[in-house]
Amino acid sequence: DQQVKQNSPSLSVQEGRISILNCDYTNSMFDYFLWYKKYPAEGPTFLISISSIKDKNEDGRFTVFLNKSAKHLSLHIVPSQPGDSAVYFCAASKDDKIIFGKGTRLHILP
Amino acid sequence: SAVISQKPSRDICQRGTSLTIQCQVDSQVTMMFWYRQQPGQSLTLIATANQGSEATYESGFVIDKFPISRPNLTFSTLTVSNMSPEDSSIYLCSVEMLGREYNEQFFGPGTRLTVL
Repeated sequence: DQQVKQNSPSLSVQEGRISILNCDYTNSMFDYFLWYKKYPAEGPTFLISISSIKDKNEDGRFTVFLNKSAKHLSLHIVPSQPGDSAVYFCAASKDDKIIFGKGTRLHILP
Repeated sequence: SAVISQKPSRDICQRGTSLTIQCQVDSQVTMMFWYRQQPGQSLTLIATANQGSEATYESGFVIDKFPISRPNLTFSTLTVSNMSPEDSSIYLCSVEMLGREYNEQFFGPGTRLTVL
């Protein structure tokens, strides 16, 4: 049973617009949520995280929103840039273990 | 941050053989992990590589199939034993380091394994 779900395998967004990547989870005991970005032939790189006690965390163009009642989090990228084209993994942490979603491939269109 | 290298970057192997993947980190780290990403699947933790003791395996993974070595704080190996096509995957080494709020994880570039 998947505890972290990214239901959109891919997403295309026009350059300059907002990209919204969604993630759902099932376990209310997760204490941290993270987003990773992965380019082809490279390992995932940490992007941004949010504690379960917060509902928003912002870092430059990246904002993560957490809705605990809905067990849902989202990553907003604004404005989207060509270099943002990558696979984005949502992840959740409990007891120092990290569980990943399957990833969403983001295409930024010129 | 940490710079992590893995060898080999990719390999094509025959069924029944074994492959050892090396992971080298540019600084001493306490926590090293091995992950697998099968096609269309999420990153799955195989085991935690412990320095000076046996690795800690996750449910569904066993030492006979995935023996791990961790001789020091900068190096680890993962062996995929008696391979079958189902082992075709990307194998990633990861380390955990102290961050401002949370221990951050850094990943190696991965080893793409194809088993024929």
